[in-house]
Amino acid sequence: SAVISQKPSRDICQRGTSLTIQCQVDSQVTMMFWYRQQPGQSLTLIATANQGSEATYESGFVIDKFPISRPNLTFSTLTVSNLSPEDSSIYLCSVETLGQGTTRDFGPGTRLTVT
Amino acid sequence: DAKTTQPTSMDCAEGRAANLPCNHSTISGNEYVYWYRQIHSQGPQYIIHGLKNNETNEMASLIITEDRKSSTLILPHATLRDTAVYYCIVRVWGGGADGLTFGKGTHLIIQP
Repeated sequence: SAVISQKPSRDICQRGTSLTIQCQVDSQVTMMFWYRQQPGQSLTLIATANQGSEATYESGFVIDKFPISRPNLTFSTLTVSNLSPEDSSIYLCSVETLGQGTTRDFGPGTRLTVT
Repeated sequence: DAKTTQPTSMDCAEGRAANLPCNHSTISGNEYVYWYRQIHSQGPQYIIHGLKNNETNEMASLIITEDRKSSTLILPHATLRDTAVYYCIVRVWGGGADGLTFGKGTHLIIQP
């Protein structure tokens, strides 16, 4: 399975600011995803990060609020913009390689608290 | 993807086998059953998956009924470190851009 690192591991941000989360994978992967896990809740898919093109967002998530980049096969960023306390969550990067079709691996998560 | 139904929580004594049930009565013929778990404050961890045959790996065994409408994840000798939320998910093989939808899962608590 892929080894995934995320930076930062946690942060406390003020309302109205933005936070950019980095996801680095130790091998080239076909697909990268971003999930959100609100306190006490299960995981919700935000978007699929596409290399060299705009991300594909799930219903309820928009690019202006969650801009995503994926410049290559091992790296992606998620920005959470114009923060409000409702954005306080854990944000998780996830990767999968098609063809193997076996597992989707997850990073350790970034815990965001908005004050 | 088909929906799954799991008990909200379960207890199990340390050293015993933990049997976690999952109902997936609307599963399609090309959908696999996947199990993940999430230990507190960590990202989800893949455990096992299967189509229709029983599967076993170093972590667990997966028993799928003949009609594929339900399955059971078995942790043969549960330890305190197995306390986690366990998610049963059905998805198409190589599902790619979607298909990994997390429900609420089962909170398994291993008692000393």
